[in-house]
Amino acid sequence: AAGVIQSPRHLIKEKRETATLKCYPIPRHDTVYWYQQGPGQDPQFLISFYEKMQSDKGSIPDRFSAQQFSDYHSELNMSSLELGDSALYFCASGWAASPDTQYFGPGTRLTVL
Amino acid sequence: QKEVEQNSGPLSVPEGAIASLNCTYSDRVSQSFFWYRQYSGKSPELIMSIYSNGDKEDGRFTAQLNKASQYVSLLIRDSQPSDSATYLCAVNDMTGGSYIPTFGRGTSLIVHP
Repeated sequence: AAGVIQSPRHLIKEKRETATLKCYPIPRHDTVYWYQQGPGQDPQFLISFYEKMQSDKGSIPDRFSAQQFSDYHSELNMSSLELGDSALYFCASGWAASPDTQYFGPGTRLTVL
Repeated sequence: QKEVEQNSGPLSVPEGAIASLNCTYSDRVSQSFFWYRQYSGKSPELIMSIYSNGDKEDGRFTAQLNKASQYVSLLIRDSQPSDSATYLCAVNDMTGGSYIPTFGRGTSLIVHP
């Protein structure tokens, strides 16, 4: 079965650089969620989209922005990167008919040097 | 602020034993409860969801929910070394139409041969 695809899987950036993370949800899923997970931490919800509109906003810094495109893929744009942004970034997808169920992608490991 | 508490562990059990993982939550209106398994550096994988008081069994896994006491547990029977992972408890109250779960920090389980 198709799963959530995230790219890149690993990313290394310098401080103050920008990064773009991509997420391709499971086909026919209409909702995308972004999470940030630091070492030994629980996943922290950043933002979600339903049918290309932002549906919920969590602890996403102002330096970050995200959007969902017409093909339902989503991108998380991160600017002025800080050392503390180093984390695993997960995208999860689901569908409005079953809003409780989220399927996580493999994640992007971002390292900021 | 909603809180989900788990003992960080590690919980160490011998192969073939029953592993018992516990989770408490602070928000009484919580309605949906989930257990995710996360291997180191990998994404969370949904293994159980439970919505009503009582037990729910799926193979070697049993989820138990007690809303009055605000706890949810996961039992793993016949534990295998491949069950060694971090188990995340997640709770969702779905207030205001939001379906964003609150995660606990996870319990590390080690199953030794």
